[in-house]
Amino acid sequence: DQQVKQNSPSLSVQEGRISILNCDYTNSMFDYFLWYKKYPAEGPTFLISISSIKDKNEDGRFTVFLNKSAKHLSLHIVPSQPGDSAVYFCAANSGGSNYKLTFGKGTLLTVNP
Amino acid sequence: ETGVTQTPRHLVMGMTNKKSLKCEQHLGHNAMYWYKQSAKKPLELMFVYSLEERVENNSVPSRFSPECPNSSHLFLHLHTLQPEDSALYLCASSQTGLVGTDTQYFGPGTRLTVL
Repeated sequence: DQQVKQNSPSLSVQEGRISILNCDYTNSMFDYFLWYKKYPAEGPTFLISISSIKDKNEDGRFTVFLNKSAKHLSLHIVPSQPGDSAVYFCAANSGGSNYKLTFGKGTLLTVNP
Repeated sequence: ETGVTQTPRHLVMGMTNKKSLKCEQHLGHNAMYWYKQSAKKPLELMFVYSLEERVENNSVPSRFSPECPNSSHLFLHLHTLQPEDSALYLCASSQTGLVGTDTQYFGPGTRLTVL
């Protein structure tokens, strides 16, 4: 039973446009959420996180939105660049002393020049 | 070397072989993790060490045996594996390992194929 779901295996956008990656979760105990980015032949790298006390967190071109009532979060990348082409993983945990991250399967983003 | 390194990057082994995966972190962290990523599945946590003490064994079969001799090094000893154990094995580290908001830094992974 997947507790973190990324229902779109892939997404293709044009350079300069917005990329929106979605993630749904089922465990109501999750209160800390992260996005990781992974290039081929490299490990995942941390991108941005959000705590459940917030509904938005912004870092440069990257913004994560959290809708707790819908158990849904999204990552917006504006403007998208070809170098953003990678697999994006959503992850969650219940914060506090719980270090166990539950990951989604990932979404492959392709940004076309 | 910086960050988290893993060797070897690729490994092919038979079911009767014994091999080891190595991970080294150069970040001064106190916690280290092993994850498994099988095809079309999410990353799954296998083991966690904090200050060289194992704090998590996520129901992993005994044919996988971790070792953490110090806070910078982590090994995964493999013996009598099955073909379904073929996967990408990722190592990660974090500052403490006992705080949910600690960022985990990943190595590039070892691509393991069991014949």
